[in-house]
Amino acid sequence: DAGVIQSPRHEVTEMGQEVTLRCKPISGHDYLFWYRQTMMRGLELLIYFNNNVPIDDSGMPEDRFSAKMPNASFSTLKIQPSEPRDSAVYFCASSPRPVGTNEKLFFGSGTQLSVL
Amino acid sequence: AQKVTQAQTEISVVEKEDVTLDCVYETRDTTYYLFWYKQPPSGELVFLIRRNSFDEQNEISGRYSWNFQKSTSSFNFTITASQVVDSAVYFCALSERFTGGGNKLTFGTGTQLKVEL
Repeated sequence: DAGVIQSPRHEVTEMGQEVTLRCKPISGHDYLFWYRQTMMRGLELLIYFNNNVPIDDSGMPEDRFSAKMPNASFSTLKIQPSEPRDSAVYFCASSPRPVGTNEKLFFGSGTQLSVL
Repeated sequence: AQKVTQAQTEISVVEKEDVTLDCVYETRDTTYYLFWYKQPPSGELVFLIRRNSFDEQNEISGRYSWNFQKSTSSFNFTITASQVVDSAVYFCALSERFTGGGNKLTFGTGTQLKVEL
């Protein structure tokens, strides 16, 4: 199994530009999570999907952030317009069952985003 | 809201020393799960262990061991005879229920472990 695949691995952009991060979960996993990691706030959950449906987006910082999951094998996280404070590592993770059922999250390698 | 506290921001040890990483959690759930993840310098997050709230048995896996104590709401992680390859950031996490069903993981802020020769 290829694991959770994220692209790009690194992204450098200028303030005001649109940024799109991509994620392919592990086949058969019904749950997909987007996390953001910063030095100040650690790992924060941004949004969570179950069977392609967003369940909780309360962690999305503001309207500049949006996430979609058009099918079971693909999700995007978009920032428009991007700001320097969005600079962070963005992780995608998937799980075959809810993590509360003793299931773990499988993480991708992350996308290092730098907004200049 | 549930909370995970890793008070140790950074720990430095010399190779072969034992080291314990602390994790304290807060939850009102009676059923919950605790996890440890490792993040090496390469950046990926690697699952190490999970433990449910009904199982307080300590667990040992090679040089790694975990001490779960509900009485003190702690889930500490010990590395015996540390090695340079253990250098990483270690995260403790707690499962939390969503109102919409399912669960999410709430992470601590992590402990940076540096093992030197």
